[in-house]
Amino acid sequence: QITLKESGPTLVKPTQTLTLTCTFSGFSLSTSGVGVGWIRQPPGKALEWLALIYWDDDKYYSPSLKSRLTITKDTSKDQVVLTMTNMDPVDTATYFCAHKPVAGAYFDFWGQGTLLTVSS
Amino acid sequence: QSALTQPASVSGSPGQSITISCPGTSSDVGSYNLVSWYQQHPGKAPKLMIYEGSKRPSGVSNRFSGSKSGNTASLTISGLQAEDEADYYCCSYAGSSTWVFGGGTKLTVL
Repeated sequence: QITLKESGPTLVKPTQTLTLTCTFSGFSLSTSGVGVGWIRQPPGKALEWLALIYWDDDKYYSPSLKSRLTITKDTSKDQVVLTMTNMDPVDTATYFCAHKPVAGAYFDFWGQGTLLTVSS
Repeated sequence: QSALTQPASVSGSPGQSITISCPGTSSDVGSYNLVSWYQQHPGKAPKLMIYEGSKRPSGVSNRFSGSKSGNTASLTISGLQAEDEADYYCCSYAGSSTWVFGGGTKLTVL
């Protein structure tokens, strides 16, 4: 059974750097073709894809946020970490991590999400 | 890479069918048969309902179906039930391991 869970701060100040951790179980990020992505959702608004990391450490980012995002993985801990620099109130959102299956271009299992507020 | 355009809301009565459109471009929906659809109830994580345009994951009702014509993907829900009331999001692979979501559609079951 695949599960994912996001963790991190609930509040950050503008200009600070955000670090979120996705801890997963039920699959290995060493398996060829598997990926873990991050998606966010501002309150009352739509989902927005942010980043994805593959089993082979290839990393991909939303073009609009690429300069601010870094995604990394720790296979030994079954974790994926997303950092976002220069946080702004518009980055207030629920952040989800999700599993991308082998040979699939979709997200079949999602974490519960973690709500982040950016405010001074 | 702009968000896919979805109608803000659709509604239908129990038992009826509804269709949610997801117009994209030749760079995303039109280039790949890799559209997925997600159902999201308030305060919950999205749930995969359709992948690769028309395939249903195990456990998803066959009342949900997906299709594509040109640059537009569609989700049809037949035999509407009260539990189908939720937000629905389309998502398309956009090449180079990037994805783009739609703006979401709120489905109301009257």
